[in-house]
Amino acid sequence: GNSVTQMEGPVTLSEEAFLTINCTYTATGYPSLFWYVQYPGEGLQLLLKATKADDKGSNKGFEATYRKETTSFHLEKGSVQVSDSAVYFCALSDPTSYDKVIFGPGTSLSVIP
Amino acid sequence: DSGVTQTPKHLITATGQRVTLRCSPRSGDLSVYWYQQSLDQGLQFLIQYYNGEERAKGNILERFSAQQFPDLHSELNLSSLELGDSALYFCAAEDTLYEQYFGPGTRLTVT
Repeated sequence: GNSVTQMEGPVTLSEEAFLTINCTYTATGYPSLFWYVQYPGEGLQLLLKATKADDKGSNKGFEATYRKETTSFHLEKGSVQVSDSAVYFCALSDPTSYDKVIFGPGTSLSVIP
Repeated sequence: DSGVTQTPKHLITATGQRVTLRCSPRSGDLSVYWYQQSLDQGLQFLIQYYNGEERAKGNILERFSAQQFPDLHSELNLSSLELGDSALYFCAAEDTLYEQYFGPGTRLTVT
């Protein structure tokens, strides 16, 4: 079946460091891919998305490219801030299951000054 | 603010009891998802409704049920509660681009 795998962390970085959170997926069709972010005590928020191969989603300095050949959607940011501390979820929209969204386990990121 | 509302924000109840969680999507959103988030299980998809009808089922226990009403708000009913049901319960409304807008969640504590 469809699935999403991502590094679970926790990931701890110093401010201004480069961030990569790996995400790979398995899907039978042509899913849309998403990154959601959950700040402490809040619900999830859509961070960025890509709907087809080679699309790049970007928002707030974060970006991710939909790589069909490697079935990946890695999240990157060139210079993290303390305010980026949160849990990041990779997700896919499964076209074979009435738009059910499948989430990865989440990656906790802590950015220290 | 996503525009999706959930009530109550917190709920404390005893084992064996039944509770109802409520979710109101944004105007025009036909699709509502329910998720359970716990420390050991992560974010688990429970069930999806689309325009009043059940569309997809995930890891939802038989003790749990949900429905979506004509005004598109949704309720998640949890019965015969166990300690292990303590978790955050989120609903999310999905737009036509498959983007999900999460509510703030209901924190359920079963004692």
